[in-house]
Amino acid sequence: DVKVTQSSRYLVKRTGEKVFLECVQDMDHENMFWYRQDPGLGLRLIYFSYDVKMKEKGDIPEGYSVSREKKERFSLILESASTNQTSMYLCATKPWTDTQYFGPGTRLTVL
Amino acid sequence: TQLLEQSPQFLSIQEGENLTVYCNSSSVFSSLQWYRQEPGEGPVLLVTVVTGGEVKKLKRLTFQFGDARKDSSLHITAAQPGDTGLYLCAGRLGWGTSYGKLTFGQGTILTVHP
Repeated sequence: DVKVTQSSRYLVKRTGEKVFLECVQDMDHENMFWYRQDPGLGLRLIYFSYDVKMKEKGDIPEGYSVSREKKERFSLILESASTNQTSMYLCATKPWTDTQYFGPGTRLTVL
Repeated sequence: TQLLEQSPQFLSIQEGENLTVYCNSSSVFSSLQWYRQEPGEGPVLLVTVVTGGEVKKLKRLTFQFGDARKDSSLHITAAQPGDTGLYLCAGRLGWGTSYGKLTFGQGTILTVHP
């Protein structure tokens, strides 16, 4: 079974803090993705990575950055958290097929 | 503007009823997927359709990909409380190297009452 883990299920941060969300996969998948999920908007792609140290912007990259130093780990960074970044964050990985495998999500609240 | 319009956004029905969820776009997709998400979990793939006009069945769930590859539907027959969840459609644009990027619809929250 594919296992995608995210570092925290729930996180509460203050405005202006730097926030790290980590995602780890155990299946040697090349592609990894970060989404945010908001009611009525579905999943929106923030960033994705197709190889170690390679990254590309998704549809809503503003206010976020990512890091992929090792194949199994993809980190999402909020440089200076703002209240409008309160959301559910989902990490996903993808093998050669089109299927994406998701982690359980991190519900981030920025106060 | 959402590239993939999913409807309805909410569906509340009684056990045993049938329902259909729609996913529409003006764009052509090389493939379309349906995912189901339960509270506290990430989405899990139900099906992928790749050919225009394709129909796939998964027990009581029937998935259809439109002939023009711009729309899809999910039909559930005799819904059960265990079908309750968030259903998401997701389309892949293009046939070339797009790293498998998906565009998601807004989602349909289905509640099936016993």
